[in-house]
Amino acid sequence: DTGVSQNPRHKITKRGQNVTFRCDPISEHNRLYWYRQTLGQGPEFLTYFQNEAQLEKSRLLSDRFSAERPKGSFSTLEIQRTEQGDSAMYLCASSSAWTGLSETQYFGPGTRLLVL
Amino acid sequence: DAKTTQPNSMESNEEEPVHLPCNHSTISGTDYIHWYRQLPSQGPEYVIHGLTSNVNNRMASLAIAEDRKSSTLILHRATLRDAAVYYCILRVGATNKLIFGTGTLLAVQP
Repeated sequence: DTGVSQNPRHKITKRGQNVTFRCDPISEHNRLYWYRQTLGQGPEFLTYFQNEAQLEKSRLLSDRFSAERPKGSFSTLEIQRTEQGDSAMYLCASSSAWTGLSETQYFGPGTRLLVL
Repeated sequence: DAKTTQPNSMESNEEEPVHLPCNHSTISGTDYIHWYRQLPSQGPEYVIHGLTSNVNNRMASLAIAEDRKSSTLILHRATLRDAAVYYCILRVGATNKLIFGTGTLLAVQP
């Protein structure tokens, strides 16, 4: 399977703990996106990378959130000092920058986070 | 952010065509219209996109109004596996992010 993969698929943690999620994009894709989705809502953009450079961050991404893509391949999203409001599905997507404005994003299955 | 308006929910019968409408009155000349769908417990999946002309692919057709202020996603023969939330999104030229609304929840009855 050469699609976008995310690990873990599910994470339960206690409030105040740190969590880290990993995303492996489609191998030839140079853009990688993180989104967050709460129940009944569409996904909300968090941040995106082109290669290893983080080019845009949403205001939703508080200081407790940090994302990295150190070698321009996989990416990690860390949440420090988790809060119950962080409970959501965290989605990763990848795309190729070479397709211009008709660019298609391919999503992974998501990591569902529950903060107790 | 560019805004789209979709009905909250629609119903269809299996093997019948489905027309999912989307209004995007603030669209500008370089904005692409993208459709994604999200099946239960999965990430969103690309369906189709277009700029001005109608588009067809193996999944669906996209009919774009002449003034581009609205579009319709057409599923020619709905199946039970097409039950999903369908999102109509404007890809604004200056940004790469997708701005999702709440979409249309499509129910398909056998």
